[in-house]
Amino acid sequence: QQQVKQSPQSLIVQKGGIPIINCAYENTAFDYFPWYQQFPGKGPALLIAIRPDVSEKKEGRFTISFNKSAKQFSLHIMDSQPGDSATYFCAASMLDYGQNFVFGPGTRLSVLP
Amino acid sequence: NAGVTQTPKFQVLKTGQSMTLQCAQDMNHEYMSWYRQDPGMGLRLIHYSVGAGITDQGEVPNGYNVSRSTTEDFPLRLLSAAPSQTSVYFCASSYFQGLAGPTDTQYFGPGTRLTVL
Repeated sequence: QQQVKQSPQSLIVQKGGIPIINCAYENTAFDYFPWYQQFPGKGPALLIAIRPDVSEKKEGRFTISFNKSAKQFSLHIMDSQPGDSATYFCAASMLDYGQNFVFGPGTRLSVLP
Repeated sequence: NAGVTQTPKFQVLKTGQSMTLQCAQDMNHEYMSWYRQDPGMGLRLIHYSVGAGITDQGEVPNGYNVSRSTTEDFPLRLLSAAPSQTSVYFCASSYFQGLAGPTDTQYFGPGTRLTVL
């Protein structure tokens, strides 16, 4: 019930493409869904986050789509650039779990020039 | 602001040895946590603390101890290292909002890569 599933495991797109990374969860008590970006040799950094009272959130070229009934959320990267090449993690948290996050296994994105 | 700092960056241990991974933050964050990152498994919570003198277990606490004597520092101790503890360890910190819910200001350190032979 605590698990967050993430797909695909890896993704290769051309510059300008729109990679989409999907996550799914089981526990309906989750109420906060962040995405983290991690470059090699660095710690994860918060990219964008959403709460279940909205279906979409945009920040720059990054968009989260949220489907509460399907218990799924996804990250879209518009006009992707080689600098977006990184590993992306979705995560979930809930009130009863304090501020502890359950992370997906990660998606390695490569954006080709 | 140095943010969240971790030392050492790399460490090699032999089975049975003990060591302490250091974590410090200068943002006056109440909440601190330790995660381990293994290929294909994302990050898994080891221990966390909501303030000085308060610690609790996460998802994978066995073989690890923590203490929180100050707001700034949150060391992670490996009592008797095992090859299964080979991993990259990340410390994170944020303001604690308690029942108000999670915060979006969780900062991660650069990580410690540990190899246990």
